Amino acid sequence: GNSVTQMEGPVTLSEEAFLTINCTYTATGYPSLFWYVQYPGEGLQLLLKATKADDKGSNKGFEATYRKETTSFHLEKGSVQVSDSAVYFCALFRNTGNQFYFGTGTSLTVIP
Amino acid sequence: GAGVSQSPRYKVAKRGQDVALRCDPISGHVSLFWYQQALGQGPEFLTYFQNEAQLDKSGLPSDRFFAERPEGSVSTLKIQRTQQEDSAVYLCASSLAGGDKLFFGSGTQLSVL
Repeated sequence: GNSVTQMEGPVTLSEEAFLTINCTYTATGYPSLFWYVQYPGEGLQLLLKATKADDKGSNKGFEATYRKETTSFHLEKGSVQVSDSAVYFCALFRNTGNQFYFGTGTSLTVIP
Repeated sequence: GAGVSQSPRYKVAKRGQDVALRCDPISGHVSLFWYQQALGQGPEFLTYFQNEAQLDKSGLPSDRFFAERPEGSVSTLKIQRTQQEDSAVYLCASSLAGGDKLFFGSGTQLSVL
């Protein structure tokens, strides 16, 4: 089946610290992989995506590389800011069936 | 509209009541999805529409859940005889023509007492 497993939170970091949130997936076929972010009181927003193996998605200083050999899509940022405090969801999408599968989310709090 | 709009933002229901949750997708978006997000969990797929056709309802947890999109724009998710386990945030998302570019609403938080 299709599923996403991501690192449990909550994660608390000081401003300018390095961030890694782990994500691994199980899928049939060749899914696209995503990171979504949910700020308090708002809907999910697309942060970045990668559609094939070895692709790197990047946005707002965040990066993730689609690793087929380890079935992973870890999210990284070199220097977090207070404004990055949010819940981050890893997800996969399969064209056949037109469905997203989300991880359970990782809450990040960045303290000044 | 500018984004996906959901109403009400919060809904409190007594166990056994029926509720109706509304989603107004981005104008022109063909595909519409409903997700259920329990506390501390990721969104779980409920159902999917392409225009007015409900193409996949495999995620609806029971026959108490019903969704419609009669004119291919606004959608309503109805839950009959609500139970405490129905308490969750219900998210609506739309996309232009299927595929992976989804835009989410802020959700309706349903609490069943």
